Amino acid sequence: EVQLVGSGGGLIQPGGSLRLSCAAAGFTFSNHAMSWVRQAPGKGLQWVSGIGGSGAGTYYADSVKGRFTISRDNSKNTLYLQMDSLRAEDTAVYYCAKSLGSGWSKTFDYWGQGTLVTVSS
Amino acid sequence: DIQMTQSPSSLSASVGDRVTITCRATQSISKSLNWYQQKPGKAPKLLIYAASSLQSGVPSTFSGSGSGTDFTLTISSLQPEDFATYYCQQSYSTPPTFGQGTNLEIK
Repeated sequence: EVQLVGSGGGLIQPGGSLRLSCAAAGFTFSNHAMSWVRQAPGKGLQWVSGIGGSGAGTYYADSVKGRFTISRDNSKNTLYLQMDSLRAEDTAVYYCAKSLGSGWSKTFDYWGQGTLVTVSS
Repeated sequence: DIQMTQSPSSLSASVGDRVTITCRATQSISKSLNWYQQKPGKAPKLLIYAASSLQSGVPSTFSGSGSGTDFTLTISSLQPEDFATYYCQQSYSTPPTFGQGTNLEIK
């Protein structure tokens, strides 16, 4: 059974940093691209960042480029999102999501439970 | 970026009804269109991928169609557990983008 367990969210002041983690189990982690997708309170879904299975390719939404860094440790089956220079508009539930199939697939077949990031003074 | 627009934004229906939700892209995305269901406080769930392929474990009451810029999600007979918010998403190009969502409520 595929499991994705996100962690690391919390309350952080504007300008601060936070690192999210997503522990994966139940599939061959290194074979699949992974992404972070966020949802602001009461709003829709917004893709944030993605990374290829080997970690070689990384992709970002314009709204986070230069502030967020996605990475993965395939030996630990874990995905990360380092978030720096946080802004109030980054407040959201952050979901990690597994890509369907191989390569840089942008179809997300499994999602974590979400971790809430609140940026506020 | 490719913009995705869903209609309607909200919909009231009864158990047993047939409902259709539409999604339009601002440029052709071939058949690179996915549908997700989200219930309050829960993560999205993949229902349909590549416009018309049913994800494993999803009831056959769900179906998808379309290509190019216009797509539909149809629920042939609403069940109580189907009341949720539905999102379309294009997987044609980076960044992947979502529609604004359709909130399906009980009439």
